[in-house]
Amino acid sequence: DGGITQSPKYLFRKEGQNVTLSCEQNLNHDAMYWYRQDPGQGLRLIYYSQIVNDFQKGDIAEGYSVSREKKESFPLTVTSAQKNPTAFYLCASSGTGSYGYTFGSGTRLTVV
Amino acid sequence: AQSVTQLGSHVSVSEGALVLLRCNYSSSVPPYLFWYVQYPNQGLQLLLKYTSAATLVKGINGFEAEFKKSETSFHLTKPSAHMSDAAEYFCAVSDRVTGRRALTFGSGTRLQVQP
Repeated sequence: DGGITQSPKYLFRKEGQNVTLSCEQNLNHDAMYWYRQDPGQGLRLIYYSQIVNDFQKGDIAEGYSVSREKKESFPLTVTSAQKNPTAFYLCASSGTGSYGYTFGSGTRLTVV
Repeated sequence: AQSVTQLGSHVSVSEGALVLLRCNYSSSVPPYLFWYVQYPNQGLQLLLKYTSAATLVKGINGFEAEFKKSETSFHLTKPSAHMSDAAEYFCAVSDRVTGRRALTFGSGTRLQVQP
């Protein structure tokens, strides 16, 4: 079945370390997105990519980086510059001409 | 920039009662509008979407929403709540002015269903 896979489901990081969250889709969608979710704040856009080798900053890109070398993959790196990285991270994708998203099941990152 | 406001961070209803979750958007151009549902520690699932066709949109699990341009609203309703409807619901809007495909989400409404 087609879908989006995020891994790992739970991730623990020590302060000062970079960490990469994986997002893979087999839906042949051209656009992919990363959102951060905090209690009471809804989802906030970190980065998005509408085509391979191109991506744009979202509303809260500081302290994060991404790459889009393959259509099916859009990894997110949380760098040590991100001051408050503990959150639930959601990856999504959408097809050409569609505004509806398919979401992954999320990665919960905790800084210890 | 587009924005969406969900009135009420928590809503509690009795099983069998009407569910009404409110969403208002701010835009000079009617956007595309969406409702998503999220169960604990999971991703979001699309309930329904408005893309400028019929103003009354029917979705999955018996939910529907009506686009009202004069009120800039897109409230979500269900005639009779079920225990399985307990979840968090998000309204989202697309930006048809700039064409940015990334959705902007509201802060969410947690629905509690009492037996």
